[in-house]
Amino acid sequence: GAGVSQSPRYKVTKRGQDVALRCDPISGHVSLYWYRQALGQGPEFLTYFNYEAQQDKSGLPNDRFSAERPEGSISTLTIQRTEQRDSAMYRCASSLGQGNNSPLHFGNGTRLTVT
Amino acid sequence: GQSLEQPSEVTAVEGAIVQINCTYQTSGFYGLSWYQQHDGGAPTFLSYNALDGLEETGRFSSFLSRSDSYGYLLLQELQMKDSASYFCPGKDSSYKLIFGSGTRLLVRP
Repeated sequence: GAGVSQSPRYKVTKRGQDVALRCDPISGHVSLYWYRQALGQGPEFLTYFNYEAQQDKSGLPNDRFSAERPEGSISTLTIQRTEQRDSAMYRCASSLGQGNNSPLHFGNGTRLTVT
Repeated sequence: GQSLEQPSEVTAVEGAIVQINCTYQTSGFYGLSWYQQHDGGAPTFLSYNALDGLEETGRFSSFLSRSDSYGYLLLQELQMKDSASYFCPGKDSSYKLIFGSGTRLLVRP
């Protein structure tokens, strides 16, 4: 079946603009995670959802970042008034549940460049 | 809080065996996973250890010792395609996976 799908694949935006990154998880997956990854580093946790409920948003860097998953499926990560330091690969992952042995399935990510 | 330590880089020869170590400190323990990530690709799940001992999946094995807060990934019969970054994320009390900086494995012919 289809994996985790993220769009757009690449996004170039000017400083100060808002961007919305989309994630379509594997069908039936309850949990959805957002990570950010800098080159040469591991994924950095941002936030995660179980169904439509945002369980943990402790990793969001500041209040310019927000995420939603209104119907418990597709999720959107929004960055307002983008800054150059926001440039990174943004990865979405989903899992069947939040159980300890439920692996994360990652999408191919959205490469965000803020100029 | 949680912290994970892995060597930053490991080099090995094709056909050999390599062990990638991981030590962790966490306020609660919810298992240790291993993920592989090739350059330009997404992280992919390799294995999960909840209990002490060895889990084997083909050429890859993962070991956990909870009393030592230590685990390792063992890769046998190394192939060039095994060159990648390897992560040993742990789950914290809110069930989110926390990744460290990972180990970059370079397999040489």
